[in-house]
Amino acid sequence: LAKTTQPISMDSYEGQEVNITCSHNNIATNDYITWYQQFPSQGPRFIIQGYKTKVTNEVASLFIPADRKSSTLSLPRVSLSDTAVYYCLVVFSGSARQLTFGSGTQLTVLP
Amino acid sequence: DTAVSQTPKYLVTQMGNDKSIKCEQNLGHDTMYWYKQDSKKFLKIMFSYNNKELIINETVPNRFSPKSPDKAHLNLHINSLELGDSAVYFCASSQRGAENGEQYFGPGTRLTVT
Repeated sequence: LAKTTQPISMDSYEGQEVNITCSHNNIATNDYITWYQQFPSQGPRFIIQGYKTKVTNEVASLFIPADRKSSTLSLPRVSLSDTAVYYCLVVFSGSARQLTFGSGTQLTVLP
Repeated sequence: DTAVSQTPKYLVTQMGNDKSIKCEQNLGHDTMYWYKQDSKKFLKIMFSYNNKELIINETVPNRFSPKSPDKAHLNLHINSLELGDSAVYFCASSQRGAENGEQYFGPGTRLTVT
C-alpha cells in the first residue's frame, strides 16, 4: 500500500532555511514528487515538482536521494508569510495507480 | 479572473438531503479532480477526469457521483448526505496528469451536515 509520511509540525525563525522531509515507500523510477503549500481557508498551491536528484525554482528546492525513499523540500530564508501547511504528493504508478498526499506539515515561522 | 472556481463556498444541510457542488476552470486544462479534506486536514483524492472521461475513482461511497458536462466543468453530486460527509471539498485542474503536472486548486466548499 502506497504511503507518504511527513512530520506533523515544525517551527523556524525568520531568515532561516527550512527543510521538510517526506518519506514515500514503493515509489517507482519515474514517479514524481510534488509539494504544495496551503494557507487557512484556501486551496493548496503548487510549489515545486521533480522525480530525481535536485530541482530548484525561485521559491524552493527539492532534493531526492538516489534511493528515492524520501524527498526534502527546502525553503531558503523563510519569512512570516511562509507560515502554512506543506504537503507532499506522490502519484504511485505501480500495479494500482495511487495519488497520495502526505498528512501535511504545519510550518510556523517565528519573528 | 479566477482560474478554478467552486460554488457554493459554504453549504449547510441536513442528513439525508441531496446536494451538488459545481466547479469550473478557465485554464483550458484537460484534467480535473475532486478532493476531500477532513477536519484533520488530510487531503484525499476522490475522482479525476480527463477530457470528460473518468480516470481515477477512489474508494468513495456511490452516494458521490461526479459529472463532467464538458472539460471545463466537473460537478459533484452527493445523495443522502451523512454526518461524516462534513468536510471541505476542493476541485482542481491540471494540463497534464497529477503525476507530472501542476494542479490548480479552487477555494474549496465547506460542507456541514447537521
